[in-house]
This record gives sequence, C-alpha cells and structure tokens, in this order.
Amino acid sequence: DTGVSQNPRHKITKRGQNVTFRCDPISEHNRLYWYRQTLGQGPEFLTYFQNEAQLEKSRLLSDRFSAERPKGSFSTLEIQRTEQGDSAMYLCASSLEEKYQVAKNIQYFGAGTRLSVL
Amino acid sequence: GDSVTQMEGPVTLSEEAFLTINCTYTATGYPSLFWYVQYPGEGLQLLLKATKADDKGSNKGFEATYRKETTSFHLEKGSVQVSDSAVYFCALIFIYNQGGKLIFGQGTELSVKP
Repeated sequence: DTGVSQNPRHKITKRGQNVTFRCDPISEHNRLYWYRQTLGQGPEFLTYFQNEAQLEKSRLLSDRFSAERPKGSFSTLEIQRTEQGDSAMYLCASSLEEKYQVAKNIQYFGAGTRLSVL
Repeated sequence: GDSVTQMEGPVTLSEEAFLTINCTYTATGYPSLFWYVQYPGEGLQLLLKATKADDKGSNKGFEATYRKETTSFHLEKGSVQVSDSAVYFCALIFIYNQGGKLIFGQGTELSVKP
C-alpha cells in the first residue's frame, strides 16, 4: 500500500494559464475525491468519482474546472484560465466503497498539490 | 445546510497538559463523525471516528464521544506530547444519502511546548 499520490506537489503559474494535477489513488479503491483547501480553512468538497463515473460536482467547481478518471484508476483535475482566487491546496482522497459498511468508507488523503497563481 | 464548527486556534499547551478541542455540527440527518489530523507537510490522516450516537472513538490516547443531544464531538486527550502538534479537523459524512463527501470544520491548530 503506497498511499494516495499527488503530482506535482507545488505548482506556480501565471494568471490565465491552464494547469493540470494528477492523483493516483490506493490501487483497489473504487472512489476518488477532490477537495480544495485554502489557508486557515478546512477542505471543501469539489467532486468525486466511483470508478470512472463522476457522480457529484460541487457548486465550487466552475466551468473552468474539469476532472476526469478515464479508466477508473488515476484522476486529473484541470483548471483553465487560472485566476488568483484559484490559489489553494488541492487534495485528493480515495476510499473503498462497500454499501452499508460505514467502517470501510474511510477516505485516505494524499499530501496535496499547492497551487499559486501569480 | 450541513456544517461543522470547531473552536478557534491556535491552542498552545505545555507537554502533559489536558486537551479539549470543541466540535459541534449541524446536520439534517444522522451523520458519521470523524477527527482527522494534518501534520506539517503531510496529508490528512484519520484519527478516530464514531458512526452513531453515544459511540466513542479512540486512537493514540485521543477520544471523542458522539453526543446527539448536544450535536457535539469534542476531541480530548489526557496528556499531550510535543509530537501531537498539528492541525485537527472535525468532519461529518452521510454515507447513505450524499455520496460520501466529507464536510469539514475550519481546523484547530495545536502547538505543544516542551
């Protein structure tokens, strides 16, 4: 078990540029989540996938944001035309979803990708 | 809407002091409750959980009891160590109805001095 891996760890970009982040979940996990965390705040949910299907998107996920999980394994989060307000830590988590088994719906988090938009 | 409120930090304690971090929640249903911890430069780690009223979660000397009547899930530890310095997040989740997204509080930073 190598844990949830996120790349890159840090990304500095200029306003208006596009950026893409990658998340590799724990291998047998069928659910993958994206959260955003700003300084001094708790993580806020953005979206999640069950296998390759994107099942829910937050209102925080504007049309400049797109997430994919094409083969039900790794996921990418792309932000187009970045704005300074996009500066945040982007967290990925994964879990093994088994219906009605609350104890196993534990989300395991990666260390995050810190985005700075100049 | 559903939300979690934590006591503001930072909390600064001396080693071996007693710790309480308050957490209250507002929820339309019956959530499961979690405490996550974030050490500097690392991802969030699950510290403990409780899935129904009166359940007590415990791990590494930390405890929290799910109090439905007061909608609270306060984190306690009898004797903190310098290594407990981290940011602690209280969170709730509705497993059956809302897809399993976590709703977090704003976090409470704990600093333990030797």
